[in-house]
Amino acid sequence: QVQLVESGGGVVQPGGSLRLSCAASGFTFSTFGMHWVRQAPGKGLEWVAVISYDGSNKYYADSLKGRFTISRDNSKNTLYLQMNSLRAEDTAVYYCGKDTGITMLRGAFDYWGQGTLVTVSS
Amino acid sequence: NFMLTQPHSVSESPGKTVTISCTRSSGNIASNYVQWYQQRPGSSPTTVIYEDHHRPSGVPDRFSGSIDISSNSASLTISGLKTEDEADYYCQSYDGRGVFGGGTKLTVL
Repeated sequence: QVQLVESGGGVVQPGGSLRLSCAASGFTFSTFGMHWVRQAPGKGLEWVAVISYDGSNKYYADSLKGRFTISRDNSKNTLYLQMNSLRAEDTAVYYCGKDTGITMLRGAFDYWGQGTLVTVSS
Repeated sequence: NFMLTQPHSVSESPGKTVTISCTRSSGNIASNYVQWYQQRPGSSPTTVIYEDHHRPSGVPDRFSGSIDISSNSASLTISGLKTEDEADYYCQSYDGRGVFGGGTKLTVL
């Protein structure tokens, strides 16, 4: 069965960096696009970024202003999110999600991970 | 970019049917797929409808999705309501950037 397991969250000071990982199993990772979505405490879901199946296309939420970078390693079945210049407002649970499209982005999620909490605080 | 607007909350009794709307602010609702996600308290989201009307395996057919071009909106309908359906529901679409609705809290009482 499909499993997505995020890791790498924790407490970081404002201005710091963190790299999240999402380990995938149960499907052919290299043929599906992948997304990151976040949820601030008590708030709704916010789309963060997406990467195509081969890593050639990446798109980000405008609000991130170039601070985050999505990447993937298909040999390791792992998705990443590098987060730099972190701010208090980046505090959230970060989820990875699998796109439904095979070798194309459809922007629809069919599976989600359990999330990893990032807290930006001094 | 467009926005998706959902009612903040809805409530209905067990066994009844409820419909949650999701209105697109600009552009044609049918231009991009609409998804619906369920999030129970303390849990990660799960997909109940993807690509407008498809149900993932394991999601009961009490859940259905539809698109209404005339109102530029999508709807999630849950029939035969159960107390376990009580959750937050989010609509979502994508046009090169992902967009989520603000979420609707469903209370089954």
